[in-house]
Amino acid sequence: EPEVTQTPSHQVTQMGQEVILRCVPISNHLYFYWYRQILGQKVEFLVSFYNNEISEKSEIFDDQFSVERPDGSNFTLKIRSTKLEDSAMYFCASTQRGRVGEKLFFGSGTQLSVL
Amino acid sequence: GENVEQHPSTLSVQEGDSAVIKCTYSDSASNYFPWYKQELGKGPQLIIDIRSNVGEKKDQRIAVTLNKTAKHFSLHITETQPEDSAVYFCAAPNYGGSQGNLIFGKGTKLSVKP
Repeated sequence: EPEVTQTPSHQVTQMGQEVILRCVPISNHLYFYWYRQILGQKVEFLVSFYNNEISEKSEIFDDQFSVERPDGSNFTLKIRSTKLEDSAMYFCASTQRGRVGEKLFFGSGTQLSVL
Repeated sequence: GENVEQHPSTLSVQEGDSAVIKCTYSDSASNYFPWYKQELGKGPQLIIDIRSNVGEKKDQRIAVTLNKTAKHFSLHITETQPEDSAVYFCAAPNYGGSQGNLIFGKGTKLSVKP
């Protein structure tokens, strides 16, 4: 089965530093997402992205966050100035058509630790 | 918007026993209910889903049932094996915007003891 790949698997950073999390969605998918999961809690939506634009974003996705598709394959999440509470597992996901009820494919995640 | 509640938060069973995880949802318009399995250190993986035009769906040892009137759906795992140990999330579609396409439950940590 096709996979969403994410790098790095772990990222440790100092508070206030910028981090970039990288994802390669499935090649024929058009809709891309970032979710996060704070330890022991449920998976929370951050942002969806289609046609080089943000489609939706949650309240969590404030001005410190940005997303980009710098080339034809990568999809990145940037956190401009990390805070302790940004420590979480960040998942990238993709779907082919972005419809509700369509199978969502998740990557294995990047564990971000902000010290 | 949609609200998904999931119970129990933890579940421990003996190998070979059955496990049942239950979820309720609030939006009567919801028509798609997936279940995800998350193994340690991995992302959630879709294991089974059900649409509202059926009441039950099976895939080998896994089944999902849906009661639209009561707005609840359940995951049933029979003949549990140690490799079934994981966190299971239910989800329901979000039509309200600003939360992506799916709203997830809080998860159930299933432990299968050999």
